[in-house]
Amino acid sequence: TQLLEQSPQFLSIQEGENLTVYCNSSSVFSSLQWYRQEPGEGPVLLVTVVTGGEVKKLKRLTFQFGDARKDSSLHITAAQPGDTGLYLCAGVEVAGTYKYIFGTGTRLKVLA
Amino acid sequence: ETGVTQTPRHLVMGMTNKKSLKCEQHLGHNAMYWYKQSAKKPLELMFVYNFKEQTENNSVPSRFSPECPNSSHLFLHLHTLQPEDSALYLCASSQVATSAGVSGNTIYFGEGSWLTVV
Repeated sequence: TQLLEQSPQFLSIQEGENLTVYCNSSSVFSSLQWYRQEPGEGPVLLVTVVTGGEVKKLKRLTFQFGDARKDSSLHITAAQPGDTGLYLCAGVEVAGTYKYIFGTGTRLKVLA
Repeated sequence: ETGVTQTPRHLVMGMTNKKSLKCEQHLGHNAMYWYKQSAKKPLELMFVYNFKEQTENNSVPSRFSPECPNSSHLFLHLHTLQPEDSALYLCASSQVATSAGVSGNTIYFGEGSWLTVV
């Protein structure tokens, strides 16, 4: 099964710091989703990006879809302990099996 | 509340028990999924149902048996499981199971069922 590569895998930062998580692939995606998952819970959808170069903002979170629709980034400004969790990107390839592919995940811990 | 409800949230079962996980979606979707999430591993797709028909079985052992009586309900029947099957089992749904040419087809997850096999 193909995977979207996320980096970094783990990130531990202090409250108030900024961070960026990357989601990369060699495949082109028709759309890409970002999820946050807290321990013991299912992933919760944060955003869907559809157009190459698209930027979406959700309060302190900024999501960008690469121009070629092969990659995406999630930037968090002034991180808070409530941002702690597992961040997953996911999408469906334009070609190939058209199956949903999930990223390897980035585990974020924000210390108070 | 994502519109996908899973029960039970926690289940402990012995290796000889038979139990079932239940999932219900209230989103009007046509595709439903079972995923397995183990510690330190990416999400593993187990089964996909599209319009009640199973369209994918990702080499899942026969001790896991899915059932989809209609587009809103999905079950995972469990029998003679092994301790290594202990994991978070996630149900999800989407408009359709494949989205070629359909932008924004999004998967919505339930809260998961924590399974411990002893």
